[in-house]
Amino acid sequence: AQSVAQPEDQVNVAEGNPLTVKCTYSVSGNPYLFWYVQYPNRGLQFLLKYITGDNLVKGSYGFEAEFNKSQTSFHLKKPSALVSDSALYFCAVRENPRDSGAGSYQLTFGKGTKLSVIP
Amino acid sequence: GAGVSQSPRYKVAKRGQDVALRCDPISGHVSLFWYQQALGQGPEFLTYFQNEAQLDKSGLPSDRFFAERPEGSVSTLKIQRTQQEDSAVYLCASRLGTGGNSNQPQHFGDGTRLSIL
Repeated sequence: AQSVAQPEDQVNVAEGNPLTVKCTYSVSGNPYLFWYVQYPNRGLQFLLKYITGDNLVKGSYGFEAEFNKSQTSFHLKKPSALVSDSALYFCAVRENPRDSGAGSYQLTFGKGTKLSVIP
Repeated sequence: GAGVSQSPRYKVAKRGQDVALRCDPISGHVSLFWYQQALGQGPEFLTYFQNEAQLDKSGLPSDRFFAERPEGSVSTLKIQRTQQEDSAVYLCASRLGTGGNSNQPQHFGDGTRLSIL
């Protein structure tokens, strides 16, 4: 079984400061990892993914995430937060199909972290 | 259209009524997913289609839930004899690439907010 934990329900950060949204995961084999953002009354928008290779992944809108296999973490980061970054952020995992077989279609999401950037 | 389109955006039904939710995926995307998102929670997987074939329906909570994609494009999620616990946002996502080996991201619609009175 695969699972995702986002330990913080809410993160508050001042505009211009760096931000971190935490995510840890559990899968049997190697993971595919994703971050999505959700604005009110909207669907999820893809930010970035880790599949293989470089542990530091760069994505949309200046976001990046660092894959740490030993800590089973994939924290989302941004050097300088904007008020417009305020939204709900979801981490998601699926098992690498080379480890689990082609049937591993499911994305498992965390409960989400509400990010508030204060002007 | 350019993105995943879902309709209606909002649906209110009385307990016991049947509802049908529609998803129009991104053109050319062969993979289609349905998720249920309860208030304050992350999306939870319901079912997966590859073209017209429903390859995984393990997340459907009961036999009152039924999904189809007869021509491999538009999909409909049907809920029969709705219950209050069915109230949630239902999200549809599509993905470029076939099967479980695709590492492409899923692209989501804005969802249908279903309220059962």
